[in-house]
Amino acid sequence: DQQVKQNSPSLSVQEGRISILNCDYTNSMFDYFLWYKKYPAEGPTFLISISSIKDKNEDGRFTVFLNKSAKHLSLHIVPSQPGDSAVYFCAASGNFGNEKLTFGTGTRLTIIP
Amino acid sequence: DAGITQSPRHKVTETGTPVTLRCHQTENHRYMYWYRQDPGHGLRLIHYSYGVKDTDKGEVSDGYSVSRSKTEDFLLTLESATSSQTSVYFCAVSSGGPEFFGPGTRLTVL
Repeated sequence: DQQVKQNSPSLSVQEGRISILNCDYTNSMFDYFLWYKKYPAEGPTFLISISSIKDKNEDGRFTVFLNKSAKHLSLHIVPSQPGDSAVYFCAASGNFGNEKLTFGTGTRLTIIP
Repeated sequence: DAGITQSPRHKVTETGTPVTLRCHQTENHRYMYWYRQDPGHGLRLIHYSYGVKDTDKGEVSDGYSVSRSKTEDFLLTLESATSSQTSVYFCAVSSGGPEFFGPGTRLTVL
């Protein structure tokens, strides 16, 4: 039973445009959500998080939106740059991040120059 | 960089042999985790630790054991490696909130 789902295995976006990565979850006990970025042959790197008391969190070019009623979150990258090409993992946790994470299967983002 | 090292970084072994992977951290994080990453599965939790000598199973714990005798070290052991355990293994640490990952160990079981 996949509690965190990333239904798009891959996404290609033109450089300078907006990249939107999506994630759905099924467990209503999740209240803390994170995005990680992973380059080949490296460990995942934490990007940005959001707790369920907010619906938006922004950090530079990265913004995460949370729609609790739809159990959906998205990561927006604006503007997209070639260095953003990577695999992005969505993750969720309960107890405001004090429980272990459940990861999605990842979306491979390719930025086209 | 959360001060996490993994050793070895690459290993090739034969079916039936024991294998131990080591994770070492320098920042005194309370929680430590072992994940495996496989195509189509994302990151799956094998075992985790919430303190010295306190460990628990994750979703794919069969065939693996762990030990944490010191805050800074978390060992993952495959008692008798199988080809299905060929994977990339990541260690992670946290003190609550985000987990921070090591560089990974690529294990091939022939």
